Amino acid sequence: SQQGEEDPQALSIQEGENATMNCSYKTSINNLQWYRQNSGRGLVHLILIRSNEREKHSGRLRVTLDTSKKSSSLLITASRAADTASYFCATAANMDSNYQLIWGAGTKLIIKP
Amino acid sequence: DSGVTQTPKHLITATGQRVTLRCSPRSGDLSVYWYQQSLDQGLQFLIQYYNGEERAKGNILERFSAQQFPDLHSELNLSSLELGDSALYFCASSSKGSPWEPQHFGDGTRLSIL
Repeated sequence: SQQGEEDPQALSIQEGENATMNCSYKTSINNLQWYRQNSGRGLVHLILIRSNEREKHSGRLRVTLDTSKKSSSLLITASRAADTASYFCATAANMDSNYQLIWGAGTKLIIKP
Repeated sequence: DSGVTQTPKHLITATGQRVTLRCSPRSGDLSVYWYQQSLDQGLQFLIQYYNGEERAKGNILERFSAQQFPDLHSELNLSSLELGDSALYFCASSSKGSPWEPQHFGDGTRLSIL
């Protein structure tokens, strides 16, 4: 099973509303990162939250991390059409002696005008 | 623009063939990562190079190989191609050797096997 799993798989909301995506993981982590992928493009790093941090903000983005529940959430406030994309969480972990980013399957976000 | 350049953007070939994907990392970045993204598998880490040396290996098939050259560009070689190798292949780079720092992605090479 995957280290990072996003929930929901897909989310469709009206422009101006807030969008919340969740990520759960299984092992201890060093940090957790969120990336955005527009259709047909590469992933873009959005924000990194370290294991000793609980909340972080960047513009309209708010990320929380609960290490006791092994989960994180990404909140996008006042959504815009340009926020339509897939969002991935990646956990920085040591899996089988491999230090790497472990990626979730992503949440597809659609912002309706 | 991430500063990571991948060529070609699209590649169409047949089963059994061999292809080479090329990646130029962001200026100053020493690490290069290769990923495969397919519809049913998500983003799969293949391999990381740091300053010319292999640093970490993920789910890379034996038919696949990679290298990083002295100028830090990298190539991913895929041989004996199968239909299931059809996917988007991404290259990413980061400034140091830790895979835990933010990575900067190119726009990928879309490989279609006919």
